[in-house]
Amino acid sequence: GEDVEQSLFLSVREGDSSVINCTYTDSSSTYLYWYKQEPGAGLQLLTYIFSNMDMKQDQRLTVLLNKKDKHLSLRIADTQTGDSAIYFCAEGTTGTASKLTFGTGTRLQVTL
Amino acid sequence: EPEVTQTPSHQVTQMGQEVILRCVPISNHLYFYWYRQILGQKVEFLVSFYNNEISEKSEIFDDQFSVERPDGSNFTLKIRSTKLEDSAMYFCASNLGLGRTGELFFGEGSRLTVL
Repeated sequence: GEDVEQSLFLSVREGDSSVINCTYTDSSSTYLYWYKQEPGAGLQLLTYIFSNMDMKQDQRLTVLLNKKDKHLSLRIADTQTGDSAIYFCAEGTTGTASKLTFGTGTRLQVTL
Repeated sequence: EPEVTQTPSHQVTQMGQEVILRCVPISNHLYFYWYRQILGQKVEFLVSFYNNEISEKSEIFDDQFSVERPDGSNFTLKIRSTKLEDSAMYFCASNLGLGRTGELFFGEGSRLTVL
């Protein structure tokens, strides 16, 4: 079945860039997503990318997709303490519904 | 900004009891979903719902689970006889559907604790 893998933990200093990586196995994935989960909160959609794109930029966020290697990354520029959260990578395919497969999540810790 | 809302935020129940988790999806959305996250584990797909019927369900979604859209705004998940392993955060989600499946919006979750 589909699988999505992420590293569990990343620590960066405030002001530095953070890069969170993700690998997936389903070659038919159409959409790849990044969600943010703050403690005790729900899943906030940060950004998503279509599989026919290589890159998407949205303010401080840059998503890079290497479809050949099935590798997705999220770069957060000028990381702030408010960016501390768990970041989930997820993949999905078009069809009758959005059945997403999530990674384990990467906990981003931003230090002063 | 429109959002998906869920109630209750936390429910504690005894094993074997029935539980209903409620969700109000974004009003113009057509597809509705339930996902769950067992503590420390991945978020897992449970079920999708469109046009008043289940579109797809995972193997987790067995006969103990059911979903319903009892009126024009609510979407519910019922667990008939809860088990300890049903303890999890349950997330409702919705989106516009085909052509806009990229934008899937989640609620803040309902934490279910089964004792």
